[in-house]
Amino acid sequence: GENVEQHPSTLSVQEGDSAVIKCTYSDSASNYFPWYKQELGKRPQLIIDIRSNVGEKKDQRIAVTLNKTAKHFSLHITETQPEDSAVYFCAADSGNTPLVFGKGTRLSVIA
Amino acid sequence: DSGVTQTPKHLITATGQRVTLRCSPRSGDLSVYWYQQSLDQGLQFLIQYYNGEERAKGNILERFSAQQFPDLHSELNLSSLELGDSALYFCASSPRAGINTGELFFGEGSRLTVL
Repeated sequence: GENVEQHPSTLSVQEGDSAVIKCTYSDSASNYFPWYKQELGKRPQLIIDIRSNVGEKKDQRIAVTLNKTAKHFSLHITETQPEDSAVYFCAADSGNTPLVFGKGTRLSVIA
Repeated sequence: DSGVTQTPKHLITATGQRVTLRCSPRSGDLSVYWYQQSLDQGLQFLIQYYNGEERAKGNILERFSAQQFPDLHSELNLSSLELGDSALYFCASSPRAGINTGELFFGEGSRLTVL
């Protein structure tokens, strides 16, 4: 089945700097790659997603890139703010099983 | 507010006991998913139901079971509880019919503590 690896597990950045979180997946049939943000004590919420027919997608300060050949996708957050501090999860969906999540990245934005 | 309701929010019980977690999906969503979130273990998929039928099964222990009722609410039953079952259990729903999920809408979770 699908396996998703996520790195790093923790990330600290200064406010205003960029943050990058990387994920790899194993199932070449995967075609949907969402990113979820989970603030402390809250539920995970979708922040951006990308499908396999697209290489990059942007939404204001957030962007996701996908390299299907390498089975690799990344989340980029620019001009980080303290409210970006949270745990971020990547996931992959092959259509054979429900979403498989990475283990998460705890992002801390230091003011 | 995602529209997904989970009860109870917190539950403390002893080893060997049995508990039931309840989930009401968003209005109109037919798919319900259960995920377990333990410390440093991310979100582990347990089981999915679609319109009352089991659709997919993940790493769900035999001591755990679930069902989805005609009104589409779902219950996750955890029995013979062990200390390691302490976790945050999330329910999520989706409007999609198939296994290909699209966006999942998560509830606030039920935090289970086994003492």
